[in-house]
Amino acid sequence: GQQLNQSPQSMFIQEGEDVSMNCTSSSIFNTWLWYKQDPGEGPVLLIALYKAGELTSNGRLTAQFGITRKDSFLNISASIPSDVGIYFCAGQTPGNKLVFGAGTILRVKS
Amino acid sequence: DGGITQSPKYLFRKEGQNVTLSCEQNLNHDAMYWYRQDPGQGLRLIYYSQIVNDFQKGDIAEGYSVSREKKESFPLTVTSAQKNPTAFYLCASNPQGATGELFFGEGSRLTVL
Repeated sequence: GQQLNQSPQSMFIQEGEDVSMNCTSSSIFNTWLWYKQDPGEGPVLLIALYKAGELTSNGRLTAQFGITRKDSFLNISASIPSDVGIYFCAGQTPGNKLVFGAGTILRVKS
Repeated sequence: DGGITQSPKYLFRKEGQNVTLSCEQNLNHDAMYWYRQDPGQGLRLIYYSQIVNDFQKGDIAEGYSVSREKKESFPLTVTSAQKNPTAFYLCASNPQGATGELFFGEGSRLTVL
């Protein structure tokens, strides 16, 4: 079945630094989504991407739907302490199945 | 406020016991889902329901059961047949046709002693 490879697994960065994470697959996806999960909570949708090549921003977050439809990245600019959490990518297959990456754990030093 | 409510937040059970996790939503969403989350893994789909009185198995349905008697409610029963039930369980919902854009509850952490 389809799998998403999300990297890095974890990051420990200084407050104010920019962050980048990505998801890749050998399969194509029709939609890419990025979620954030705070400790002990459910994930919250950050950004949804619907077309190959699409670049979308949400405040300090920017995400892109790869032109090959097999990858996506998420950038966070000027990280702050409340950015800590787990970031998940998810891809919706042509068969309407939703597949999640394993997550990137973000820790920020203040 | 509209949202998804899961209960209990924490649950302990002995081996061999069934346990039921509650999920209620007041978003008027047609579709509801149950996911299991284990450390270092992506969310895995247990069951989903797109309409009242109908539900489908997900990728890891063995040892679980669900019902959808009301639009607002989608309880999950973790049965004694589930070999490794200790996990964080997440309920989600969305309107019909919005497969990827899920609204999640706060989760229920089940620990089997």
